[in-house]
Amino acid sequence: DTGVSQDPRHKITKRGQNVTFRCDPISEHNRLYWYRQTLGQGPEFLTYFQNEAQLEKSRLLSDRFSAERPKGSFSTLEIQRTEQGDSAMYLCASSLIGQGEYEQYFGPGTRLTVT
Amino acid sequence: KQEVTQIPAALSVPEGENLVLNCSFTDSAIYNLQWFRQDPGKGLTSLLLIQSSQREQTSGRLNASLDKSSGRSTLYIAASQPGDSATYLCAAPRGVWNTPLVFGKGTRLSVIA
Repeated sequence: DTGVSQDPRHKITKRGQNVTFRCDPISEHNRLYWYRQTLGQGPEFLTYFQNEAQLEKSRLLSDRFSAERPKGSFSTLEIQRTEQGDSAMYLCASSLIGQGEYEQYFGPGTRLTVT
Repeated sequence: KQEVTQIPAALSVPEGENLVLNCSFTDSAIYNLQWFRQDPGKGLTSLLLIQSSQREQTSGRLNASLDKSSGRSTLYIAASQPGDSATYLCAAPRGVWNTPLVFGKGTRLSVIA
């Protein structure tokens, strides 16, 4: 069990560019979550998947954001036409639903800086 | 709507002191609550998960309690060490079987040697 991994760890981009982040969950976990965290705040929920189905998108997720989880394994989060307000830490978490525990395990995060 | 509040926002203690971090939540229809640790610029490390059927959960020097009726949880750290310095986050699900977590803003702990 290697834990949740995220790539890249850091991304600096210019305003208006597109960026894509990847998350690899713990291998047997069927739920995958994306959260966003800004300085001094707790993480805020963005979207989540059960297997390959996207179950919910937060109103924080504007139409510039899209997330996928093809084949129910890794997930990608794409931000189009980045804005300075998108600068944040993007966190991925996974959990196993159906075993009665529901503990979420987080990855190291991707820190995005939009200049 | 679930809201999570953590008090205090920051805490500084001398090494060896026992301390308590507080968390309150508004929707008590939850099946568990998690406490996390976050080091600066890093991701979240899960410390303890308390099921709704439990009142306490212990891991080493950490003890977390859950009182659903009052909407409160506490994290007790015994014999604090400088390595405990970090931000501690409390998170509750949005509701029963509603698994996305709602986080507090955290308590920033500094343990002074």
